[in-house]
Amino acid sequence: DSGVTQTPKHLITATGQRVTLRCSPRSGDLSVYWYQQSLDQGLQFLIQYYNGEERAKGNILERFSAQQFPDLHSELNLSSLELGDSALYFCASSVEQGAANYGYTFGSGTRLTVV
Amino acid sequence: DAKTTQPPSMDCAEGRAANLPCNHSTISGNEYVYWYRQIHSQGPQYIIHGLKNNETNEMASLIITEDRKSSTLILPHATLRDTAVYYCIVPPPGTASKLTFGTGTRLQVTL
Repeated sequence: DSGVTQTPKHLITATGQRVTLRCSPRSGDLSVYWYQQSLDQGLQFLIQYYNGEERAKGNILERFSAQQFPDLHSELNLSSLELGDSALYFCASSVEQGAANYGYTFGSGTRLTVV
Repeated sequence: DAKTTQPPSMDCAEGRAANLPCNHSTISGNEYVYWYRQIHSQGPQYIIHGLKNNETNEMASLIITEDRKSSTLILPHATLRDTAVYYCIVPPPGTASKLTFGTGTRLQVTL
């Protein structure tokens, strides 16, 4: 157990639907990062939050959004789902804003299947 | 991120040392080298990082050349559970940090 909790572990939904993925960071970590891993594209950085504020954005689609709550848990919202959104979604956390002196701790991921 | 180059795959016999190379010839003086690994479909796992000195922890050793243009991750006694994709990453310093994972090296440890 890495200390980063992601729920649900598996999610199957239909095209056009909306889902919410949840992440609880490791105790004491203020930064949360979201990554997408699909079969053909490897691990892609989506977005980072630090203590409730958005700090960095990667290749995140406009149909996707995220937020970090006062208790530091984060949610990734995916809407108007397409077949190509099927992927593993990982959340990671770290103490600081960046990787400078500490590594990230990743959760075990949510496997999203869009049918 | 500074560009890194890793071999796509390597094999290692169980019990032997696994030496995974990484080239990062465009690295600048204040950029760290990070290593992560991903065991099949699990979340990536942080292994080790370093700036210029060699580093060792309970998982591995990191050897960085004097000119910092390349590094080697050493798993001293590889086991079957070390079979994974290993990523060498050099993130720009002072950024909000969004680790960019390349394609890594797929290490297969065999009996």
